[in-house]
Parts: sequence; structure tokens; C-alpha cells
Amino acid sequence: ETGVTQSPTHLIKTRGQQVTLRCSSQSGHNTVSWYQQALGQGPQFIFQYYREEENGRGNFPPRFSGLQFPNYSSELNVNALELEDSALYLCASSSYRGYNEQFFGPGTRLTVL
Amino acid sequence: GDSVTQMEGPVTLSEEAFLTINCTYTATGYPSLFWYVQYPGEGLQLLLKATKADDKGSNKGFEATYRKETTSFHLEKGSVQVSDSAVYFCALSGEGFKTIFGAGTRLFVKA
Repeated sequence: ETGVTQSPTHLIKTRGQQVTLRCSSQSGHNTVSWYQQALGQGPQFIFQYYREEENGRGNFPPRFSGLQFPNYSSELNVNALELEDSALYLCASSSYRGYNEQFFGPGTRLTVL
Repeated sequence: GDSVTQMEGPVTLSEEAFLTINCTYTATGYPSLFWYVQYPGEGLQLLLKATKADDKGSNKGFEATYRKETTSFHLEKGSVQVSDSAVYFCALSGEGFKTIFGAGTRLFVKA
């Protein structure tokens, strides 16, 4: 059984640029959630995708967007990067919604200069 | 809205000491409660969970009991090891679509 994988591991961008982060969910999971974890903080929910549709969203601006593909992998896109977007971005997969245990990937460390 | 509050760290203990990390929550309905652990440079790993009142989650010597009357889910371990040094997150997942995390508590265990 393959766990949750994320790419890239690290990324450095400059303010105003756009970035795409990728996540492959665990086998058998159809739900993917994305979280932002700033340094020294707990993860903050960005949004969740279930069967290719957005299933809920946290308090993040529209420049944070996502996709889920038929194989349940997912992308997080961030446009017009700002310095405060620097964080660890975590992807988590589960069999459905938040009732069940979520399995986290190792994260992508994004640095915005 | 729903929220999780956990004790601030860092917590520094000697090996074999008793560990308690306090966690309280605010939620509507009957959420599931979790403890996650994050080792340096890694993502989060589920440590234990409880899905209803009075349930006790346990794993690797860690325990936490879902206390609805005090809205608490404190993490305990009888004898910590150096390898337990990590950041611990209390979290809840309610009837909505997201998991809400506390700010995390960093634990240092000295040999």
C-alpha cells in the first residue's frame, strides 16, 4: 500500500509568482484535504476535494485554488504569491470527509522571497 | 466555531518521566478527537483517536480519554523516551469537512 506522496519537497518562489503543488492520495482514498502550516503553528485547513469537487473551504482567499483528478490525486495552486504564503503545505487523504483518520504526506516547504 | 486549545510548550522532561499534555476543545455536536505527532522535517502521523465520549485511544504507550463533561482530551504517557521528542497536535473533526488543529506542543526528552 502506497502512502500519501507530495512533490516537490522544497520550492523557492518570488513574490507575485504562481506555484503548483502536487499530491498523490493513498490507495483507496477518494478525499484529499490541503493544509497550510506556518512555522510554529498548527495546520490550517485550506480546502477539501471529494470525487473531483470542492467539498469545503477554509478562510483562504480565491488565489488559493485546487483540482482533483479521476485517480484522486490533487493539485494546489497559489497565484500572486505573497511573503506570508511561506509555509509547509500538507496534503492528507481519507476515505471520506473528516470523520475518518486522515493520512498525511510529508509536505512541501514553500519559501516566498 | 469549533476550536482546540492545547498547552503551550516547550515541555522538557527527563527520560522515564510522566507526560501530560493538556487539550480542551469547543465544538457543536459530537466530534472525533485525535492526537497527531510531527517529527522534525516530517508530516503528521496519527498517534491515537477517540470517536465518542469515554472512549480511550491508545498507541505506543500514549493514552487519551474523550471527556465530554470537561471537553478535554489530555495526552498521557507513563514513561517517556528520547525518541518521543516531537511536536504533538490535538485535533478534532466534527460533522463538517475539516479537521481543526491546536497550535502544537513541542516535547523535548533528555537522556
